[in-house]
Amino acid sequence: EVQVLESGGGLVQPGNSLKLSCATSGFTFSTAWMYWYRQFPEKRLEWVARIKAKSNNYATDYTESVKGRFTISRDDSKSSIYLQMNNLKEEDTAIYYCAWSSGVMDAWGQGASVTVSS
Amino acid sequence: DIVMTQGALPNPVPSGESVSITCRSSKSLLYSDGKTYLNWYLQRPGQSPQLLIYWMSTRASGVSDRFSGSGSGTDFTLKISGVEAEDVGVYYCQQGLEFPLTFGSGTKLEIK
Repeated sequence: EVQVLESGGGLVQPGNSLKLSCATSGFTFSTAWMYWYRQFPEKRLEWVARIKAKSNNYATDYTESVKGRFTISRDDSKSSIYLQMNNLKEEDTAIYYCAWSSGVMDAWGQGASVTVSS
Repeated sequence: DIVMTQGALPNPVPSGESVSITCRSSKSLLYSDGKTYLNWYLQRPGQSPQLLIYWMSTRASGVSDRFSGSGSGTDFTLKISGVEAEDVGVYYCQQGLEFPLTFGSGTKLEIK
């Protein structure tokens, strides 16, 4: 069974940092392309970042609004990915989902809530 | 960015009735490999999104055959034949053709 579990969410002040973690099991992580999505309070879904596998040189992509502030990374030895979020803004407030997608299958975690507020 | 636009449903829908949810993309999602990169997701209350349909018309593993996807390069339909209580939630279309990946605003299904 595929499992995806996020952790590390919380309340943070604007300008501060937070790191989300995502632990996975049940599929071949080392060859998987992994994603972060977020869902805003009004329920709008947004893709945040993607990291490819080692065979693709761990290439990364980001949505425009987080470029230069967020960094996606992975540790294949732990079947985990991470999202380092710096200089957080109130508009980053959302539920952050980690997801595995092979194009024909995918699995999302239950989400980690991030609230940016003073 | 590719803009995804979804239609609404006349909620609540009587149980057992068939419904169609529409989605339109601002750019053709038909790729040179012959596949149309349009996904449908269902987000049930309190849960994360789950993949229902990929490549516009292929059901994901374990998805009921009451769900079917169809369309052209820019206009798409998700049909639910005989809605049931477990179908309640918000349905999202998503384009997987190019980055940034983008979603529609969602279509809520309520059942009477």
